[in-house]
Amino acid sequence: AIQLTQSPSSLSASIGDTVSITCRASQGISNALAWYQQRPGKPPKLLITDASSLEAGIPLRFSGSGSGTDFTLTINGLQPEDLAVYSCQQYHIMALTFGGGTKVEI
Amino acid sequence: QEQLVQSGAEVKRPGSSVKVSCKASGDTFIDNVFHWVRQAPGHGLEWMGRIIPYIEEGENPQTFQGRVTITADELTKTVYMEMTSLRFDDTAVYYCARGRTYLGEMAVWGQGTPVIVSS
Repeated sequence: AIQLTQSPSSLSASIGDTVSITCRASQGISNALAWYQQRPGKPPKLLITDASSLEAGIPLRFSGSGSGTDFTLTINGLQPEDLAVYSCQQYHIMALTFGGGTKVEI
Repeated sequence: QEQLVQSGAEVKRPGSSVKVSCKASGDTFIDNVFHWVRQAPGHGLEWMGRIIPYIEEGENPQTFQGRVTITADELTKTVYMEMTSLRFDDTAVYYCARGRTYLGEMAVWGQGTPVIVSS
């Protein structure tokens, strides 16, 4: 199975900051990577697919980049509602796997 | 707006089985793909398998083969996940999700079903 390693596991930032979260795959996955946001007590919400394609209705302050083994989720101008755990997920191989998550605290 | 509504919380004994349902409200059902994902307390998300209703046969990663069965009922637009031989470490919130495409991204999620395994 492809392992996804996220860093950092948690971070604390202020409103308006730019925050970056990385996701490293144990082998190349092309751009078959999604990012999810999970607010406390809620199910995950799909933010980005194909490493950099923003889902409809997701604020433009969210962006994704990368291909192969290294990926980044960036939040430009952190907002209070961005308090959440962010997880990456690969779908290059149909033994889908998720990263361990990054908790973003405001 | 499409929704996935899951069955309620369960408390089970070790060694027993649980069956969680997920009812879809969208217009299309049989040619969508539905996934099951679980999240143990303080842990990340873990994929348990998927089903495309018109194919009728679910598939699971090796971790869950022999213990998890995913089925679908076209008439009621409901997907099911049954897990047998429950262990304490199966305590988790179980989610169903509809795939955005057949590739594996998960666009619509159910509200989650807590399953507690306790003696």
